[in-house]
Amino acid sequence: AQSVSQHNHHVILSEAASLELGCNYSYGGTVNLFWYVQYPGQHLQLLLKYFSGDPLVKGIKGFEAEFIKSKFSFNLRKPSVQWSDTAEYFCAVPNSGNTPLVFGKGTRLSVIA
Amino acid sequence: GAVVSQHPSWVICKSGTSVKIECRSLDFQATTMFWYRQFPKQSLMLMATSNEGSKATYEQGVEKDKFLINHASLTLSTLTVTSAHPEDSSFYICSATSTSGRGSYEQYFGPGTRLTVT
Repeated sequence: AQSVSQHNHHVILSEAASLELGCNYSYGGTVNLFWYVQYPGQHLQLLLKYFSGDPLVKGIKGFEAEFIKSKFSFNLRKPSVQWSDTAEYFCAVPNSGNTPLVFGKGTRLSVIA
Repeated sequence: GAVVSQHPSWVICKSGTSVKIECRSLDFQATTMFWYRQFPKQSLMLMATSNEGSKATYEQGVEKDKFLINHASLTLSTLTVTSAHPEDSSFYICSATSTSGRGSYEQYFGPGTRLTVT
């Protein structure tokens, strides 16, 4: 079964700092990759997704992620974080084909002024 | 994009009672819906996969007699928590599948239902 690892449990950054959140998955081959964000008290929102093509994917709110097949990684980045980016971030990958998403444990991002 | 709704968004019930949560795909037909559970400050854990017109498939450790899932139509799945106990208090999230134009798998999430059992 597919598994997803998010190495950072809690990240604390000052505003304008750069962000990189790690995500690794266990199975290779054709994969669809997702990053979701959950703001405090709110539901999951899709940040970005990768299905095929350019491995550098741009999402909403200035986020981007790079798919590196050789490293089984899909790290999330943002050049300059804002206080409003404070949230929980989840990386997710389908178990295989058309089966449900498997989520990483999430990374809590706290952005301080 | 595809929209998934859940009702209610928040429910409080007494221990021993049953609670039904609805999940609807509003603008697409969902042959498959999934139910997740999220404890505070934790990740989403898949509970079961629900296919329209057939029995749900439960993940290991999830009691199927306690968490009854029905997927009677292509736009509606329900989760009934029977004989609820305080440890069932959690955030329940449903999602539904839709295939994009390129045939790639995608899963759309509902806003979640917060269940509190007193």
